[in-house]
Amino acid sequence: KQEVTQIPAALSVPEGENLVLNCSFTDSAIYNLQWFRQDPGKGLTSLLLIQSSQREQTSGRLNASLDKSSGRSTLYIAASQPGDSATYLCAPPDTGRRALTFGSGTRLQVQP
Amino acid sequence: NAGVTQTPKFQVLKTGQSMTLQCAQDMNHNSMYWYRQDPGMGLRLIYYSASEGTTDKGEVPNGYNVSRLNKREFSLRLESAAPSQTSVYFCASSPGTGVDEQYFGPGTRLTVT
Repeated sequence: KQEVTQIPAALSVPEGENLVLNCSFTDSAIYNLQWFRQDPGKGLTSLLLIQSSQREQTSGRLNASLDKSSGRSTLYIAASQPGDSATYLCAPPDTGRRALTFGSGTRLQVQP
Repeated sequence: NAGVTQTPKFQVLKTGQSMTLQCAQDMNHNSMYWYRQDPGMGLRLIYYSASEGTTDKGEVPNGYNVSRLNKREFSLRLESAAPSQTSVYFCASSPGTGVDEQYFGPGTRLTVT
């Protein structure tokens, strides 16, 4: 069964800092991994989908990397802004169930 | 495109009552999913449907039933609600029949008293 761990569980930083959010997963037989953002009381917004054939995927100030062999993915946020404050969720597939498996997320607070 | 829509947004039920959560997508996606989100536990899969006419159990299916009414709609039914079903319920869809990029609805916040 796929299990996902996200570290740190919570993070508070001043505006402008570059951040790294970490995700590890137990079943490395995946073909993609998705990162989401969730604002309090809201649904999930897809940030990046990274395929196993890619090592990195970029969208604006966000960059995600995937290392299948070590069971790790990182989300890099450059020049953080208060509007980045949210919970970030890492979700690789649980191939057996043909759905996503989620970690508990990293709760990010960016102070102005 | 509205994307994935869910109704209702909020609901309060008494123990033993029944209700159906509705989900629809307008992206012509094949796969649809129901997840529940509880504090400290992340999202867990309840049921999914890889194509119209098929449904399969996920990690936590007990107490729920689903119907894939057509390609657009996937409903989740609680036959006899229990306080343990207090949660936020999310519907999602993805284009293919495997696990590709998923798109989520805004959620239904359900409280069972």
